[in-house]
Amino acid sequence: KQEVTQIPAALSVPEGENLVLNCSFTDSAIYNLQWFRQDPGKGLTSLLLIQSSQREQTSGRLNASLDKSSGRSTLYIAASQPGDSATYLCAPSINAGKSTFGDGTTLTVKP
Amino acid sequence: DGGITQSPKYLFRKEGQNVTLSCEQNLNHDAMYWYRQDPGQGLRLIYYSQIVNDFQKGDIAEGYSVSREKKESFPLTVTSAQKNPTAFYLCASSGRQGNEKLFFGSGTQLSVL
Repeated sequence: KQEVTQIPAALSVPEGENLVLNCSFTDSAIYNLQWFRQDPGKGLTSLLLIQSSQREQTSGRLNASLDKSSGRSTLYIAASQPGDSATYLCAPSINAGKSTFGDGTTLTVKP
Repeated sequence: DGGITQSPKYLFRKEGQNVTLSCEQNLNHDAMYWYRQDPGQGLRLIYYSQIVNDFQKGDIAEGYSVSREKKESFPLTVTSAQKNPTAFYLCASSGRQGNEKLFFGSGTQLSVL
């Protein structure tokens, strides 16, 4: 059974800092891995999707990398802003969209 | 606008009662999913469907039931057999039988009276 761990559980940084969120998973036979953002009491918003054949994906200030063989993914956020404050979840998918979610990293960016 | 609509936003269940959560999508996606989220935790898969008239149990299906009579709709019933139903329920969909990006609805908060 796939297990997903996200470190750290919570992170507080001053505005403008670059930061890295970590995700590890136990079953490396994945189809893809997705990073999501969740605001309190809301649904999830997809940030980046990395297919198993890819090493990284970029969107604006966000960059996600994937090392499938070691079961790791990172989400890099450049020049953080207060609006980036949210919970970030990673979700590797092993079969037909059956994604397993980590517990998330709660990010607070202070003005 | 294309998207996933969940209703109601808030729902209250009395003991012994079955309640049904609605999920509708107009993205023309084949696959649909129901997840449960407890406070401070990630999402756990309840049921999923890759095609109309077919669905499979996820990791925590006990006490729940679903149907997939139309491509656009995937309602979830929380039965009286689910003894701890208080949670945030999220519906999602994906194209190409689940191998593409997951899109989520805005969720339903279910509480027990």
